[in-house]
This record gives sequence, C-alpha cells and structure tokens, in this order.
Amino acid sequence: QSVLTQPPSVSGAPGQGVTISCTGSSSNIGAGYNVHWYQQLPGTVPKLLIYDTNNRPSGVPDRFSGSRSGPSASLAITGLQAEDEADYYCQSYDTSLSGVLFGGGTKLTVL
Amino acid sequence: EVQLVQSGGGLAKPGRSLRLSCAASGFIVGDHAVSWVRQAPGKGLEWIGFIRSKPYGGTTEKAASVKGRFTISRDDYKGIAYLHMDNLKTEDTAVYFCARERTGYGTSGSDLWGQGALVTVSS
Repeated sequence: QSVLTQPPSVSGAPGQGVTISCTGSSSNIGAGYNVHWYQQLPGTVPKLLIYDTNNRPSGVPDRFSGSRSGPSASLAITGLQAEDEADYYCQSYDTSLSGVLFGGGTKLTVL
Repeated sequence: EVQLVQSGGGLAKPGRSLRLSCAASGFIVGDHAVSWVRQAPGKGLEWIGFIRSKPYGGTTEKAASVKGRFTISRDDYKGIAYLHMDNLKTEDTAVYFCARERTGYGTSGSDLWGQGALVTVSS
C-alpha cells in the first residue's frame, strides 16, 4: 500500500531546530516525484511551504527548507518561533495509485 | 485580490448529490490546474483529485475513494471550478478545499487555497 509516513508529533524549544520526515517508497518519492510541504495553523487553510522538494514560495522565511534522500524527504525548521506551532503535511505523486498522496501530518509543538 | 472563493457546501442525506463551486479572482485560472482536497473533522488532508488546464487537455485524475462518484470540471470563461459529488456517503463528511496548482499540468504545489466548504452527510 502506498503511503507517506510522517511522525505524529515533534517538538522543540524556541530558537531550536526540528526536522520532520516523510517516508515514501519507490512508487512516489523514491521514483523521483517532487515533494511539497504544507503548514496548517490551527483553524486555518493549508499554506504551501515548500514546493518541488526544496523551493520556497515568496514570503516563506528561509528558516524553512526541504530536502530528499532516496524514498524519503525532510522538512527542516530552524530558529523555532511560537507561530510555527502547526500541523505540517508532505505531499507527492504516486505512480502506482496514479494519484496524489498526503502524509498523515505532523503536529509541531513549540515548547 | 487574488483569491478562491468557495460555495455550495451543506447538509445532504446519504445517496444524494451536492455540487461545490470554486470561483477564482485576480488571476487567470485557465493557466492553472485546480485541485480538490478534503479534511474530515480532526483528521489530516486527503487528496480528492485535480483537473489540468486546457493546454494540458483539461483531464482529471481522482482518488480511488471517489472515482465513479465525484466529477471535477471547470469553466475557464466564468473562472470557476466545480466538484460534483454523487451518491454521497457518511464518510464523505469533511471540509472541502479547492486549491490552485502552481502549473497547469497537475500537482505542482497548491499555492492558493479556497476558504473551505463544510459538507455533512447524514440521515
């Protein structure tokens, strides 16, 4: 079954850094399909944070960065701020499904 | 203002139909694919499908969970995308979002989202 696996939660203190992983397989991330990351603040619509694995839309701080290694991708957040507390989702295309997958989401808590 | 404004949500009984609309303003929607994503209460994001822009054939791809029941269409002249949902099930209860893709081809990063429309399926 094609899935993108994220840790349910991560946490960090203000000023620290965290990394959120997104583990896929040879039919999605491992096949070279781009990964996109979204931030969803409580009670709001999702916001595009990273597109095409490691590109930031204009207006997204450079504290957010994306990378990929094999069948996995990661979102790194440095210099944590209270306003970073949100749910984060990865997204990629899956060739075996001929469709798009979202990861299950990761809740970031800023301690 | 560049925005997507949704309409058409509400309460429906199982087996009935609903149509959601997603009206674009401030940009040329015909240059972009449009995706639909839903979020059940307290749950994560679930991709429903997208429709490519006309230069890419205007074709659609949909999740297995909605194939045969949901139809995605677009009217670029009016600047509106639609999600037509037939044979609704209780598990279709969710907030439905439309979103603009960065390119016309398909999923390339959804950089503009509608405000969401709540669909509740209940007898």
